[in-house]
Amino acid sequence: DVKVTQSSRYLVKRTGEKVFLECVQDMDHENMFWYRQDPGLGLRLIYFSYDVKMKEKGDIPEGYSVSREKKERFSLILESASTNQTSMYLCASSYAYGYTFGSGTRLTVV
Amino acid sequence: AQKITQTQPGMFVQEKEAVTLDCTYDTSDPSYGLFWYKQPSSGEMIFLIYQGSYDQQNATEGRYSLNFQKARKSANLVISASQLGDSAMYFCAMRGVAQGGSEKLVFGKGTKLTVNP
Repeated sequence: DVKVTQSSRYLVKRTGEKVFLECVQDMDHENMFWYRQDPGLGLRLIYFSYDVKMKEKGDIPEGYSVSREKKERFSLILESASTNQTSMYLCASSYAYGYTFGSGTRLTVV
Repeated sequence: AQKITQTQPGMFVQEKEAVTLDCTYDTSDPSYGLFWYKQPSSGEMIFLIYQGSYDQQNATEGRYSLNFQKARKSANLVISASQLGDSAMYFCAMRGVAQGGSEKLVFGKGTKLTVNP
C-alpha cells in the first residue's frame, strides 16, 4: 500500500523554536507539497517541490522554508515558530493525476 | 491564478437522501483537473472523484458523481443515498499549473456535511 508518512501526529513547541516537520513518501513521486489547514480557510499551499533540491513558493510561504535533499523526503521548517503558526499541516505527493496525503501533523506553538 | 469557491460552510441531509455540494472554479488554463476529497474527523484526506477539463462525460464513482458544467465553471459533487458515515468535511480542489510550469493543487474552504438518522 502506497504511503505518505508524517513523522509526528501531534507536536507542541515554544515560540521562537526552530521546528522541523518531516514527510516521507514511498511511491517515487516527483512532486511533493506542504499545506496548512485552518478552520474556515480550507487547505492553503505553503511550498511545493517538483524535483530534488527544487522548490516553489505556494500561496503562504512567509515564515516557512523547505528542504528536499532526497526524492522521498520533503521537510517543512519553521525558522522561529510563532503562535500564528499553530495549525494542522498536511503533506502530499503526486504523480500525474494521483495525489496522496499524509495523516497530518497538528502543531501547537505556545 | 486558480481559485476554488465552496459557498456552503455546512450542509445537512437525511440518511438515504441525495445531497449536492457546490463548487465553482476560476482558471485561465485550458487544461485542468477537478477533484473532490472527503476528510472525516480523523483527519485523513480521502480521494473521491476526478474530472478532467476535456472529459466529455461526468465522472462517477459508486455513490459519488460530479456534475461538471464547464461553461458555468462549476463542478458540484452529488452523493446519492447518504449514509451516516458520509458525515465529514468535503473539499473541492483544482489541479493547475504554477508559474514555473509545475503542477499544484488548489483547494476550496470546504463544506461540512452532516447526515442525520
